Amino acid sequence: DQQVKQNSPSLSVQEGRISILNCDYTNSMFDYFLWYKKYPAEGPTFLISISSIKDKNEDGRFTVFLNKSAKHLSLHIVPSQPGDSAVYFCAATFYTGNQFYFGTGTSLTVIP
Amino acid sequence: DGGITQSPKYLFRKEGQNVTLSCEQNLNHDAMYWYRQDPGQGLRLIYYSQIVNDFQKGDIAEGYSVSREKKESFPLTVTSAQKNPTAFYLCASSISSFFDISNQPQHFGDGTRLSIL
Repeated sequence: DQQVKQNSPSLSVQEGRISILNCDYTNSMFDYFLWYKKYPAEGPTFLISISSIKDKNEDGRFTVFLNKSAKHLSLHIVPSQPGDSAVYFCAATFYTGNQFYFGTGTSLTVIP
Repeated sequence: DGGITQSPKYLFRKEGQNVTLSCEQNLNHDAMYWYRQDPGQGLRLIYYSQIVNDFQKGDIAEGYSVSREKKESFPLTVTSAQKNPTAFYLCASSISSFFDISNQPQHFGDGTRLSIL
């Protein structure tokens, strides 16, 4: 049973515009959420995270929003750049961090 | 230059053979993890280890085995009991999974793609 879901397998955005990647989860006990970025033939790299006690975390062009009542988080990239083209995974875990639950990924293409 | 090294990048084996995937890290991380990725699916946890000489099964441990004799190393053996071993395997590590996970994201290797002939 998939506890973390990314329902959009792909997304295309024009350079300079906003990219919004979505993620839904089913377990309300998750404490911590993360976004990873993955280029082909490489492992995922950590991008940004958010604790369940917050509703927003910002790091440069990347902002993650958490809506606990809807069990939904989103990653906003503004402005989008061609180098942002990659697969983005959201993940959720508990504070003990024993297991990370990953979504299926969204492939973002930023068109120059 | 610290990181996680997985080897080999590509691996081909005949059916019925066991095969071992290597994962080494020099980040001084306590926790290590093995994931499997299949097309259209997220990363699924096979095994994880919080400290040396200890490891726990993840969601899809059947047909796999691991060892953690050294802090730096967490090899994964894909046994002949694994019915569908062809996949992309990722190893990861993090500082510790005993304490607050905040600001302790996992670091990943570049993966090993295993194909069974």
